[in-house]
This record gives sequence, structure tokens and C-alpha cells, in this order.
Amino acid sequence: IAGITQAPTSQILAAGRRMTLRCTQDMRHNAMYWYRQDLGLGLRLIHYSNTAGTTGKGEVPDGYSVSRANTDDFPLTLASAVPSQTSVYFCASSIDPYNEQFFGPGTRLTVL
Amino acid sequence: ILNVEQSPQSLHVQEGDSTNFTCSFPSSNFYALHWYRWETAKSPEALFVMTLNGDEKKKGRISATLNTKEGYSYLYIKGSQPEDSATYLCALGSGGSYIPTFGRGTSLIVHP
Repeated sequence: IAGITQAPTSQILAAGRRMTLRCTQDMRHNAMYWYRQDLGLGLRLIHYSNTAGTTGKGEVPDGYSVSRANTDDFPLTLASAVPSQTSVYFCASSIDPYNEQFFGPGTRLTVL
Repeated sequence: ILNVEQSPQSLHVQEGDSTNFTCSFPSSNFYALHWYRWETAKSPEALFVMTLNGDEKKKGRISATLNTKEGYSYLYIKGSQPEDSATYLCALGSGGSYIPTFGRGTSLIVHP
């Protein structure tokens, strides 16, 4: 793979179900991020990781968790999905927190 | 949460027009300002990373300036083309975590 990938591309999920969105990068970037895109609100940061083994909360972390066991992978988990989590989710990475971010193609999630 | 403001929210111009828009941010504790271009149904892509007061960056017909003392950055597009139609995001990095905060973007539509 080249760059940053996300899976699945899209998903329809029943409320209350658990869901993990996957994100993988092969650029050996230290920093990774999860955003959600909502109409009129732009991109909002959910969680981030400055380096493998560390994570931090962004602007809208409630209902989401992340882990960073290695450099390449940064999964986002919804423990019990709710309809307000319907959104497009973007994963991004950067060589370090100071530099430009590279974005994945996005995951469109619908919670019914 | 930092207050990053972009104006105007949307802009319609004719092909060949030059245009510019603004990103305003709190000037304290500044470390970087990023500009991204986001085409519909795609992912954001970085245009510029700006760190120094007075920075000017250029890529083809697009250029940007930075004033960290007064807290603003301008993005200019010379001779707009329909393919310039996109949302332009700015992101501010400041503070101890250095995680950029995104503005809500300026939506540019260039009519042929």
C-alpha cells in the first residue's frame, strides 16, 4: 500500500452495535488523527496520537476510543453506536505534529 | 478550543477572476498555519505550511501570506479556473499539544 488507507469505505450500523474503523499508513509517520466531518461544522478532531503508544483526546472524544499499538495502525472504536455518530470519518497522519497532514479517503458511517 | 475563523464562508466567482479569502486566529502561542484544499468527494490535501511571520508561499496560481502578530493569513488565487472549485481549509497549530485546529473552510465555486 502507498499512503494512508481506511476501511471500510462505508458502513450502515444499527444503534447499540460496536464498530471499529481501521486506518493504516505506510509512511512511517509518527502522528495520526481521527476527524469527523459534519455539515456546517467542518472537520472536528476526535482523538490523536503523537507517537506509537500514546493517544490524546480531541474536541469531540465522547463515545469513541482509539489505540496506537504500533506506528502504522490507528483504529477508532465506537463501543455502542448512536445515530448522532452518523458522519464521514477521516483518518490522517503527519511526520510529526508540526507538519502537514495526509488524509485517508474517508469512511461514511450511518447509524440507524 | 482555539477560535479559527475563515471568511467568507462561500464565494462564487467567474472563470478568470482573482480572489482571496482570510483565516483569522489568536496570535498568542502560534507555531504553524496550514492551508488545505478539499475537493468534493475527495480528501483534504495540504497546500502550504507556514511558520514565520511574513511568510509568503506560492504554488502555481495559488499563494498565501501570514501575519502572526495580528493573527491572519490570506490565500490568493490568481485567474481562477473551474478546477479551483473546492473548500479551502486553514488549520492553526499552537499551544503545548501542537495539534492543529481547523477552521470551517471557505467554499469556492468558479463558474465557467
